[in-house]
Amino acid sequence: AQKVTQAQTEISVVEKEDVTLDCVYETRDTTYYLFWYKQPPSGELVFLIRRNSFDEQNEISGRYSWNFQKSTSSFNFTITASQVVDSAVYFCAHPLRGNTPLVFGKGTRLSVIA
Amino acid sequence: NAGVMQNPRHLVRRRGQEARLRCSPMKGHSHVYWYRQLPEEGLKFMVYLQKENIIDESGMPKERFSAEFPKEGPSILRIQQVVRGDSAAYFCASSPLTSTDTQYFGPGTRLTVL
Repeated sequence: AQKVTQAQTEISVVEKEDVTLDCVYETRDTTYYLFWYKQPPSGELVFLIRRNSFDEQNEISGRYSWNFQKSTSSFNFTITASQVVDSAVYFCAHPLRGNTPLVFGKGTRLSVIA
Repeated sequence: NAGVMQNPRHLVRRRGQEARLRCSPMKGHSHVYWYRQLPEEGLKFMVYLQKENIIDESGMPKERFSAEFPKEGPSILRIQQVVRGDSAAYFCASSPLTSTDTQYFGPGTRLTVL
């Protein structure tokens, strides 16, 4: 069965530190997508990134970067120079088939302390 | 460009009552998904609908829960005879197509059963 593992339950860092959130997935598919979502304290779910398994290039968006390693089935997320506003629960997700349904990891709660 | 709308944002019901949760997808999106988030857990898929059709309800409890997405109007998730274990955040997501597109989430409805 498809599965997403986020081994880090909680991480706490001091502002301006870099932090990496791990995500390991299991899949039987040869082509697939991976996602990261952010859930801030206000509770909504914010889409961060969708990645196609064909594209193994690392992606950078401002202070956010993603490292996709097909060989280790990992899709890790790094925040550079963390800020208090980055405090949230971050979810990695992978579709069971096609794009639905999304199977979510249990999430990593990131606390950035000023 | 309005995002996914959900209402109510908070809903309180007593045991045995009915709960109706509404979701209006983003403009141009014809696919709707419902997920449930129990306290301190990740999101779990419940049901996937297109207009007037249930495509996948593999995550729906067999009893008391139903969902619809009529030709006109929002998608409705209905929980009959609620129990305390139904207390959770219910998220709706929408996408324009199914197999490759990102699911965008609404702000969620927090259901509390007294």
